[in-house]
Amino acid sequence: NAGVTQTPKFQVLKTGQSMTLQCAQDMNHEYMSWYRQDPGMGLRLIHYSVGAGITDQGEVPNGYNVSRSTTEDFPLRLLSAAPSQTSVYFCASSYSIWTAGDDNSPLHFGNGTRLTVT
Amino acid sequence: TQLLEQSPQFLSIQEGENLTVYCNSSSVFSSLQWYRQEPGEGPVLLVTVVTGGEVKKLKRLTFQFGDARKDSSLHITAAQPGDTGLYLCATRLTGTASKLTFGTGTRLQVTL
Repeated sequence: NAGVTQTPKFQVLKTGQSMTLQCAQDMNHEYMSWYRQDPGMGLRLIHYSVGAGITDQGEVPNGYNVSRSTTEDFPLRLLSAAPSQTSVYFCASSYSIWTAGDDNSPLHFGNGTRLTVT
Repeated sequence: TQLLEQSPQFLSIQEGENLTVYCNSSSVFSSLQWYRQEPGEGPVLLVTVVTGGEVKKLKRLTFQFGDARKDSSLHITAAQPGDTGLYLCATRLTGTASKLTFGTGTRLQVTL
């Protein structure tokens, strides 16, 4: 079972470059989200989507764009990378927004993308 | 200001020891979740607690939700090297069912 698949696993960018982090899930989940994980700061929500065509901002959305054209895919775009965006990025999905994270509908995470911006 | 404060930040113990980690806040929550994250992987849900005073057990792990629903603890009995990882608590912000916010985490190392 694939679950949530993130690509690439590792990426190095130079300041000002752009790139897209890919996220795909094969569980027909309505809800998808992007987090970044930094030492000592836990996981911080960047953007999320409650269904195809619907996205919204999380805690730290600046510098990132998202779109949700299909149920399966939720790419995260960095338009002009900055060293402050060096982090590990996680995509997560859940069956329903109303039960996101509950026992019956846990949040499923991918294995992350480690991004370094020099 | 972090909504969820976890303590301790780091814990290194030997196999067979018991330990407790804490998740605290000044806010009241409708529910709280615990996740475990192993190196190179994403977090995996361990349990959700919903009722004040609730206790849930998962093999050697015991989870408790405070009576006032503002804090939670995770107790591990007879820790094993396989328990090594980052333990995260998480909750949904009031009025925003779709935003799950995480604590800073407790990094646990269990050695032989």
